[in-house]
Amino acid sequence: EAGVVQSPRYKIIEKKQPVAFWCNPISGHNTLYWYRQNLGQGPELLIRYENEEAVDDSQLPKDRFSAERLKGVDSTLKIQPAELGDSAVYLCASSLEPEDGYEQYFGPGTRLTVT
Amino acid sequence: AQKITQTQPGMFVQEKEAVTLDCTYDTSDPSYGLFWYKQPSSGEMIFLIYQGSYDQQNATEGRYSLNFQKARKSANLVISASQLGDSAMYFCAMREDTGRRALTFGSGTRLQVQP
Repeated sequence: EAGVVQSPRYKIIEKKQPVAFWCNPISGHNTLYWYRQNLGQGPELLIRYENEEAVDDSQLPKDRFSAERLKGVDSTLKIQPAELGDSAVYLCASSLEPEDGYEQYFGPGTRLTVT
Repeated sequence: AQKITQTQPGMFVQEKEAVTLDCTYDTSDPSYGLFWYKQPSSGEMIFLIYQGSYDQQNATEGRYSLNFQKARKSANLVISASQLGDSAMYFCAMREDTGRRALTFGSGTRLQVQP
């Protein structure tokens, strides 16, 4: 069974440029998470989807960040415009809830560097 | 207040020895789950072990065990018979079942296994 797929793995952009990250969760997983992990810290939730609905986006900086999960499968996270402080690893995770509610499966992440 | 505290930024252990990684947590939710994840230098988050707040026995998964002391609000990870491949960052995380249901992570402990 394929795991959570993310692309690109690495991205370097100049500040004020836009950037987008893509996530394909494990097949059948209804819940999808985007986390941001700053250097030397644990991941922090940005947004959680249940199927197509964003049920928790309270930590998403909505002035520059947006996300979508069309058809309740793949998801895209966008930053426009990027700032230096957005440099981090962006992790996508998925789970099958409530049947398998306690385990989240993470993708390899996208490492973003803003110069 | 921090919900997950990992007080050991770095730990060393000799190969084949056991090591304990500390984690304390704070919640008022009666129903919650505690998790440990391993993050190698490649970046992916690997699920290791889970403990539910109502579980009577400590969780075990192979060489990993979780020393759950509910009254002290601690959930320490014990790795027995350390191997060189155990060298990585280890994150403790909590999910409050009636709250946001996303994982809240600690700041991590870097474990280095020495031959």
